[in-house]
Amino acid sequence: ELKVEQNPLFLSMQEGKNYTIYCNYSTTSDRLYWYRQDPGKSLESLFVLLSNGAVKQEGRLMASLDTKARLSTLHITAAVHDLSATYFCAVDPSGTYKYIFGTGTRLKVLA
Amino acid sequence: DSGVTQTPKHLITATGQRVTLRCSPRSGDLSVYWYQQSLDQGLQFLIQYYNGEERAKGNILERFSAQQFPDLHSELNLSSLELGDSALYFCASSVDTSFEKLFFGSGTQLSVL
Repeated sequence: ELKVEQNPLFLSMQEGKNYTIYCNYSTTSDRLYWYRQDPGKSLESLFVLLSNGAVKQEGRLMASLDTKARLSTLHITAAVHDLSATYFCAVDPSGTYKYIFGTGTRLKVLA
Repeated sequence: DSGVTQTPKHLITATGQRVTLRCSPRSGDLSVYWYQQSLDQGLQFLIQYYNGEERAKGNILERFSAQQFPDLHSELNLSSLELGDSALYFCASSVDTSFEKLFFGSGTQLSVL
């Protein structure tokens, strides 16, 4: 059974600080996705990583993918309060047509 | 606005009842996914349809069923409801089945009393 695990599950950080969220998955996949969910809201796509070594950046967020290690990271630079949300990674292994989400990391940025 | 429409937004019902959740994908999207989100189980993949055909099944209970119609809208049917079925049910759509990000609807909050 495919498992997608994130750590930490909860993260409280001060504004201006840097931190990394980790996403590990248990099966071969060349593709990984990151989503954001605000409280009481739906999910919104952040990044699509389609190959080993892929790196994408948008504002204070940067995502990377290491398919050999089955690991993706979401790095937050100089956090601001607006980044407070729950972040999910997701994997859709080839041939399964399944799109499996990780456990989620709930981020709270303190002013 | 993602372009994915889910109705109703809220649903309150009793144990043992049956409900139908509806999803209209973005214009042009052929794939529809259903997810259940609860505090203890996280975001669980239920089932995926592509152009009217079931493509993948996840942790979907036998009491639940879904279909995708010729106009590509989809319905998720939940029967013999139990308290534990209370959750937020999301529908998402994409153009194809792989390499694509998903566009999520706003969800249907189901409360089983």
